[in-house]
Amino acid sequence: QSVLTQPPSASGTPGQRVTISCSGRSSNIGGNTVNWYQHLPGMAPKLLVHSSNHRPSGVPDRFSGSKSGTSASLAISGLQSEDEADYYCATWDDNLKGWVFGGGTKLTVL
Amino acid sequence: QVQLAQSGPEMRKPGASVQISCKASGNTFTNDHMHWVRQAPGQGLEWMGIINPSGQATSYTQKFQGRVTMTRDTSTNTVYMDLTNLTSEDTAVYYCARSGGWYAHFQTWGQGTLVTVSS
Repeated sequence: QSVLTQPPSASGTPGQRVTISCSGRSSNIGGNTVNWYQHLPGMAPKLLVHSSNHRPSGVPDRFSGSKSGTSASLAISGLQSEDEADYYCATWDDNLKGWVFGGGTKLTVL
Repeated sequence: QVQLAQSGPEMRKPGASVQISCKASGNTFTNDHMHWVRQAPGQGLEWMGIINPSGQATSYTQKFQGRVTMTRDTSTNTVYMDLTNLTSEDTAVYYCARSGGWYAHFQTWGQGTLVTVSS
């Protein structure tokens, strides 16, 4: 059971906007920023969003992150077939004194 | 841009140990903290621990304490992860990742190393 809760799956058609949620508690998301990673099978995970809402250079602005209270979200607009991947949220947990991940959300582009 | 190259796949029997390496190339990673994250088959990502730039400070998640050791060789830009007393539940892909600080996001990841534990 992951410390952070994500829906196991999400889907959308090309061009649509999808949102992936990540729920935690005060000891993790509530007090720290959230990072999002994209993971394609057989590849290294890739940083998509850091510090809750900042995109590294090279990441399309179709990807955006937000955080409110003990929850965070990743939004993907203008969905493309290459966005089909697993997405993970992560943050520091003050109680566990370690990094924690969500269980991952498998995004399917229909 | 720092790139991380990990050692190749490993196969071990239960009770054995394994060491995985992660070598940085490109810009030096002397100021980077390094993490190890694993993914068991069909499971999500699981953080194992961190080592600071000098190699003098480490922190391991409770699940692995007593079985994992992370070290780094600053002269060769390489970090190592040793995991002992392996069981079938340790079968996973192990990733190294770099961050700019203890509490900073993971900027770059290695390609992963598959460790298979089977009798």
